[in-house]
Amino acid sequence: NAGVMQNPRHLVRRRGQEARLRCSPMKGHSHVYWYRQLPEEGLKFMVYLQKENIIDESGMPKERFSAEFPKEGPSILRIQQVVRGDSAAYFCASSPDAPELNLSGNTIYFGEGSWLTVV
Amino acid sequence: AQSVTQPDIHITVSEGASLELRCNYSYGATPYLFWYVQSPGQGLQLLLKYFSGDTLVQGIKGFEAEFKRSQSSFNLRKPSVHWSDAAEYFCAVDRYSSASKIIFGSGTRLSIRP
Repeated sequence: NAGVMQNPRHLVRRRGQEARLRCSPMKGHSHVYWYRQLPEEGLKFMVYLQKENIIDESGMPKERFSAEFPKEGPSILRIQQVVRGDSAAYFCASSPDAPELNLSGNTIYFGEGSWLTVV
Repeated sequence: AQSVTQPDIHITVSEGASLELRCNYSYGATPYLFWYVQSPGQGLQLLLKYFSGDTLVQGIKGFEAEFKRSQSSFNLRKPSVHWSDAAEYFCAVDRYSSASKIIFGSGTRLSIRP
């Protein structure tokens, strides 16, 4: 059972370009979370999605950032018109269906991250 | 709102010494509690988790954590650290809900002195 797959692992963009980060959850997981880790900081929640639905986007910047998790294919985190301050590691995580019924608790599994550098 | 506090930003211990990393949470009910470890340039690996039952939880790599409701704490311990334990450690909390999200502490960087 493959883990959470993120790509690209490293991405370099010039200011003003667009960055697209992809995340394929673990098999059988329909809940996806995106977190951002700025240098020397902890992980900050950005958005929580289920298939075709955004459940909680309270951590997403109001502008330039968007996320989707279509019925087919990976989840995409899209950053338009990137700025230097967007340079960070972006982590995706997934959890099983119906986490409230998961007797092991709402354990989420992380991908290895995508490191975005804006030059 | 739920929150997680890791009061120690950076800790250095000697190899073979014991370790305790502190974590306090703020939440009205007992949440799910987690410890994750992150090596440089890597993703997060789950060390252990607590959601009910025995308050002393055993994890991987010889780590354990104890949930203390009265102190709202979930401290991570290891009796004897190894140089390979040098990493960033994150405590996290999640409430029991189908639409919840895990909230992370700011992390504690662990360095090992030879």
